[in-house]
Amino acid sequence: GAGVSQSPSNKVTEKGKDVELRCDPISGHTALYWYRQSLGQGLEFLIYFQGNSAPDKSGLPSDRFSAERTGGSVSTLTIQRTQQEDSAVYLCASSSRGTAGNTIYFGEGSWLTVV
Amino acid sequence: QKEVEQNSGPLSVPEGAIASLNCTYSDRGSQSFFWYRQYSGKSPELIMFIYSNGDKEDGRFTAQLNKASQYVSLLIRDSQPSDSATYLCAVYNAGGTSYGKLTFGQGTILTVHP
Repeated sequence: GAGVSQSPSNKVTEKGKDVELRCDPISGHTALYWYRQSLGQGLEFLIYFQGNSAPDKSGLPSDRFSAERTGGSVSTLTIQRTQQEDSAVYLCASSSRGTAGNTIYFGEGSWLTVV
Repeated sequence: QKEVEQNSGPLSVPEGAIASLNCTYSDRGSQSFFWYRQYSGKSPELIMFIYSNGDKEDGRFTAQLNKASQYVSLLIRDSQPSDSATYLCAVYNAGGTSYGKLTFGQGTILTVHP
C-alpha cells in the first residue's frame, strides 16, 4: 500500500477483554515497529520485527502483550485482559533497510480506550 | 540516564525567529538520527535525518550532528505558527543488541506565537 495502514483506528473496550490491533506496513518494507504513546507522553518502544522474526521484544510491558508477523507483512499486536493503563495510541511503523536513512514511516495509530 | 534526552520545554518563540531544539543520546554506536514532528492527535511525521557530523539543511530546517559530543539539534528558521507542534528526536542503531531499534526522546513542545 501507499502508507502504513492500521486498524481499528479507534477501539473502546471493557476492562478484562482482549483486543487485537492490526498493522499493514508499506509494501516491501521488511522492518516493522510497534510503539505506544500515552496522552501527553513520548513514544514507548514495544517490539521490532525484521521479516517474521522479532529480534527485540524488550519493550513489551507484560506477558499480556504479544505480537506476531506473518508472511513478512501484516502484524498483529494482541493485548489480553486489558487494563485501564493500557489506554493509549498504538503506533505502527515500517522501514526498508535498503532506503536512505532507513527512514521509518508511521501509520495513523490505533487509539485504544479501556473503560 | 535516558537513551535519548530532549528538553521537554515548552519552547516558545515569536513568529519569524529561530527555534533551536536539542537532543543528546547515550549510545555511541548510534548511526542515524531523525527529527519527527507531531501535531496534537496525529502520528509523527519525518522532518529530517542525518548521518554525518556537521550540518544538513532542508528549506527552513537545519539538522546539526556532533557525534563526539553525542548531540543532535534542529534549527527552524523563520518560525511560523504552523510549526507549533511536538518535535521528537530519534536515534537508530543497526548493530549489536539494539539492532534495528529506533529510540525516541520525550519530545519538545514548540509554540510559535504571532
